[in-house]
Amino acid sequence: EPEVTQTPSHQVTQMGQEVILRCVPISNHLYFYWYRQILGQKVEFLVSFYNNEISEKSEIFDDQFSVERPDGSNFTLKIRSTKLEDSAMYFCASKRQEEQETQYFGPGTRLLVL
Amino acid sequence: SQQGEEDPQALSIQEGENATMNCSYKTSINNLQWYRQNSGRGLVHLILIRSNEREKHSGRLRVTLDTSKKSSSLLITASRAADTASYFCATRDTGRRALTFGSGTRLQVQP
Repeated sequence: EPEVTQTPSHQVTQMGQEVILRCVPISNHLYFYWYRQILGQKVEFLVSFYNNEISEKSEIFDDQFSVERPDGSNFTLKIRSTKLEDSAMYFCASKRQEEQETQYFGPGTRLLVL
Repeated sequence: SQQGEEDPQALSIQEGENATMNCSYKTSINNLQWYRQNSGRGLVHLILIRSNEREKHSGRLRVTLDTSKKSSSLLITASRAADTASYFCATRDTGRRALTFGSGTRLQVQP
């Protein structure tokens, strides 16, 4: 069964460094999402992406964040200058159609900012 | 309370027993979904119920939705040790693309 994959599974970085989290959505999916989960807290929506542009973003998704679909398979989340509070599990999700309600989540990337 | 609050926060039962988790929300929704998360892992979609539905079944799962009370429940029947996980409700608000997750119920099923 096709699934969303994410790399790396874990990333440790120094405060102020840039990180790029990578996701490969399910191949025929058109809608892409990033969520994050700070340890012990709720899963929070960051951004949704469709047709090569951001369709919705939360207040968390400030100028330090950007998303890109550089080719036909990858979907990336970049954090330009990481802060301690960016430490979290980051989940990518995708779905095939607007009408399809189920979002399929990847296993996540655990980011630790020191 | 915040959108998508589950209760209880934690639940410990014996294998074979039923587990019931509840979720409350505040806004107008298109649908409500339940997800499962094993410790440190990704979210697995379990079941979706639309705002015009009242009850839905999938295997050992039964979910109900009461839009007048803005609440939902997830029942897992004949629980197994492998059901041990955190369970989250998530709503898609009318007019939005994002899912709003609750804080989750940690279920422990003792063998």
